[in-house]
Amino acid sequence: EVQLLESGGGLVQPGGSLRLSCAASGFTFFDSFALTWVRQAPGKGLEWVSEISGGGESTYYADSVKGRFTVSRDNSKNTVYLQMSSLRAEDTAVYYCAKGSGYSNIWFTNWGQGTLVTVSS
Amino acid sequence: DIQMTQSPSSLYASVGDRVTITCRASRDISTWLAWYQQKPGKAPKALVYAASSLPSGVPSRFSGSGSGTDFTLTISSLQPEDFATYYCHQYNSNPSTFGQGTKLQIK
Repeated sequence: EVQLLESGGGLVQPGGSLRLSCAASGFTFFDSFALTWVRQAPGKGLEWVSEISGGGESTYYADSVKGRFTVSRDNSKNTVYLQMSSLRAEDTAVYYCAKGSGYSNIWFTNWGQGTLVTVSS
Repeated sequence: DIQMTQSPSSLYASVGDRVTITCRASRDISTWLAWYQQKPGKAPKALVYAASSLPSGVPSRFSGSGSGTDFTLTISSLQPEDFATYYCHQYNSNPSTFGQGTKLQIK
């Protein structure tokens, strides 16, 4: 069974930093699948945040986080990361890690349970 | 960026009803479209991919159709567990984008 376990969320002050992790298990060839971060602000819809290709050579970001967030992965640990800096109140959300259907043009086959990030003073 | 517009934003229906949700893309996305179901406090779950294909384990009462810019998700006979919020998602090009959601509620 595919499992994605996010961690690293919490309360952070505006301007602060946080690193989220997503540990994957239950499937092989981890480096064959793109992984994505999707967030959901309280009471709002889904917002795609960032994607990293299977090998890590290609990364993509929403305009709202470009220059502030960095996605990376360690395929030896089956883990993807989201380094978030210069955090703003509008970054407050549940952050989900999602497994892509393949290497590109991906839909999200599996989702983690999410980790809550709250940006507040 | 490709904009995805869902309608309606909310919908009231009864168990056993046939329900249709629509999603329109701001430009041609071929069949690079998925649908997800989300229940309160839970992660989304994939219902449809490639506009009309169902992942393993999704009940056959769910179906998807469309191509280009216009798509639909149909639930043929609503079950109590289907009351949730539904999102369309285009994955034709990055940034990947979602519709704003359709909340399906009990009448």
